[in-house]
Amino acid sequence: QKEVEQDPGPLSVPEGAIVSLNCTYSNSAFQYFMWYRQYSRKGPELLMYTYSSGNKEDGRFTAQVDKSSKYISLFIRDSQPSDSATYLCAAERRALTFGSGTRLQVQP
Amino acid sequence: GAGVSQSPSNKVTEKGKDVELRCDPISGHTALYWYRQSLGQGLEFLIYFQGNSAPDKSGLPSDRFSAERTGGSVSTLTIQRTQQEDSAVYLCASSAPGTTEAFFGQGTRLTVV
Repeated sequence: QKEVEQDPGPLSVPEGAIVSLNCTYSNSAFQYFMWYRQYSRKGPELLMYTYSSGNKEDGRFTAQVDKSSKYISLFIRDSQPSDSATYLCAAERRALTFGSGTRLQVQP
Repeated sequence: GAGVSQSPSNKVTEKGKDVELRCDPISGHTALYWYRQSLGQGLEFLIYFQGNSAPDKSGLPSDRFSAERTGGSVSTLTIQRTQQEDSAVYLCASSAPGTTEAFFGQGTRLTVV
């Protein structure tokens, strides 16, 4: 079993939709949780990071961590075609452990 | 530099040859990570350097893989006797002291033919 599990998708939504991306993890030692966005043939780009349980909001993006259920979520409001990318969740103990990524396609 | 710089951006090599991949982290960043990303897959941890501490090599897939970091800055990942299954994008990241936010380079796309 991988330490961080993520549904690979692909996930296709219409422009303006609310997108929910989710991951689960198994290691209770993870303390920091991050979401990266990766466009095709580019390196991952840090979107958001959170420490422990709770919500963190940044513009159209909200990251949520529930440590009791070991669940990580990223919500994207008013999704745009430019949001089309692969989204990777990650959890940190020393180095980052990544999920496999969810490919998101926002249709205009 | 402004960001993490990796070179070369693309590398095609013959099976059995050795390759060296270079990473130049963001100035002042003490932590440096190497990851591997196979086609359509997530990032697989390879090795982690933190300051002057002994590196965490727990992710290296075989003894054909090694990495060093000279002077606490530039790092080189070496793959000896390359195999076709080594074909992947090799990504380097760095983070500043006391932070967990890792910033990635654009990667080196390695193709073993």
